[in-house]
Amino acid sequence: AQTIHQWPVAEIKAVGSPLSLGCTIKGKSSPNLYWYWQATGGTLQQLFYSITVGQVESVVQLNLSASRPKDDQFILSTEKLLLSHSGFYLCAWSSGEAPLFGEGTRLSVL
Amino acid sequence: GDQVEQSPSALSLHEGTGSALRCNFTTTMRAVQWFRKNSRGSLINLFYLASGTKENGRLKSAFDSKERYSTLHIRDAQLEDSGTYFCAAERGSALGRLHFGAGTQLIVIP
Repeated sequence: AQTIHQWPVAEIKAVGSPLSLGCTIKGKSSPNLYWYWQATGGTLQQLFYSITVGQVESVVQLNLSASRPKDDQFILSTEKLLLSHSGFYLCAWSSGEAPLFGEGTRLSVL
Repeated sequence: GDQVEQSPSALSLHEGTGSALRCNFTTTMRAVQWFRKNSRGSLINLFYLASGTKENGRLKSAFDSKERYSTLHIRDAQLEDSGTYFCAAERGSALGRLHFGAGTQLIVIP
């Protein structure tokens, strides 16, 4: 069975500090991978997607970047956090149909 | 602009009754999904439809791509059905890009 694991569960970070969120998928080769984000009180938005290792497409510009260093790993990062980056981040994978979501990371930027 | 309009934003149902949530789309969508938010904030898949209807227990969903809408019907509502429900639609032009509705907060009253 496929599993998706996100880390960390929650983060409290200072404005201007760096950030790295991780997502690992087990049990599926070459999945399509996605990062989503929901600001507090906002709508879920897709940030990035990747269909293969080393290839990432940006959907929404939020001063964040994503990388796929391995087939089963998707990383979301930034060198300098903004207050507006606070919210809930979800990683998801799919193999064509309904994506399955990780448990999410709640980020508070102070 | 917003491509998915979800209604109602909030709904109260007495136990045992039913109602429907609706998502209207401003453009033709390839598929629609319905999710429920779990206690951690992550999303649990309820339905994925490319057309027609699907039923699972007390939930039933329909998707009409031509008429640009989807519905989620809940019948015989139970207390544990309380929560936030989202629709998300996928356009054919962008790989895996989901456009989310703003969500419906359902409260089931004893």
